[in-house]
Amino acid sequence: ETGVTQTPRHLVMGMTNKKSLKCEQHLGHNAMYWYKQSAKKPLELMFVYSLEERVENNSVPSRFSPECPNSSHLFLHLHTLQPEDSALYLCASSQRDRVGDTQYFGPGTRLTVL
Amino acid sequence: EDQVTQSPEALRLQEGESSSLNCSYTVSGLRGLFWYRQDPGKGPEFLFTLYSAGEEKEKERLKATLTKKESFLHITAPKPEDSATYLCAVATGANSKLTFGKGITLSVRP
Repeated sequence: ETGVTQTPRHLVMGMTNKKSLKCEQHLGHNAMYWYKQSAKKPLELMFVYSLEERVENNSVPSRFSPECPNSSHLFLHLHTLQPEDSALYLCASSQRDRVGDTQYFGPGTRLTVL
Repeated sequence: EDQVTQSPEALRLQEGESSSLNCSYTVSGLRGLFWYRQDPGKGPEFLFTLYSAGEEKEKERLKATLTKKESFLHITAPKPEDSATYLCAVATGANSKLTFGKGITLSVRP
């Protein structure tokens, strides 16, 4: 595997379900990110982890719970979601001590909440 | 508050018809401006990073330029495979937080 991978690629869940999204980066980076992408809207930053510590949480509802067990893995735990949470969820990684700090994205998980 | 505006929202070109995509920004303390390409149902693919006004970068048919207020992505003699959504983002602050524009959907007809 190379780059940033995400599983599953597609997920359909009911409002009472609990599920998790997984992200893995193979780039040796030290920061990882979760973004939400909805139709006709800019990418919205949800969480940032740097050196496995959460450094940013952009007023995301508590039904989204991130977990970063090490610098290569990032999870987004989902519970009691709403239909408006349906979107493409993107994971990204970067090396924060490099000038420019370019973020590289995974393919995304298309989430549909019924 | 940092703002990024991309125009036009959508652009349809004939194969070989060169054009430019615009990204204007209002930020405090620009650390970098990024261009990404995104195909339907996929994650954004990194294209360029520009750091200072006057900087230019090229890759195949694409050339990105930067001024103090905006960036252009010039597409020379586009091909149908250049059809995609092009995203612009600016990095600001000590954490290099990215603020994205809404994107420009480019369609190139054969």
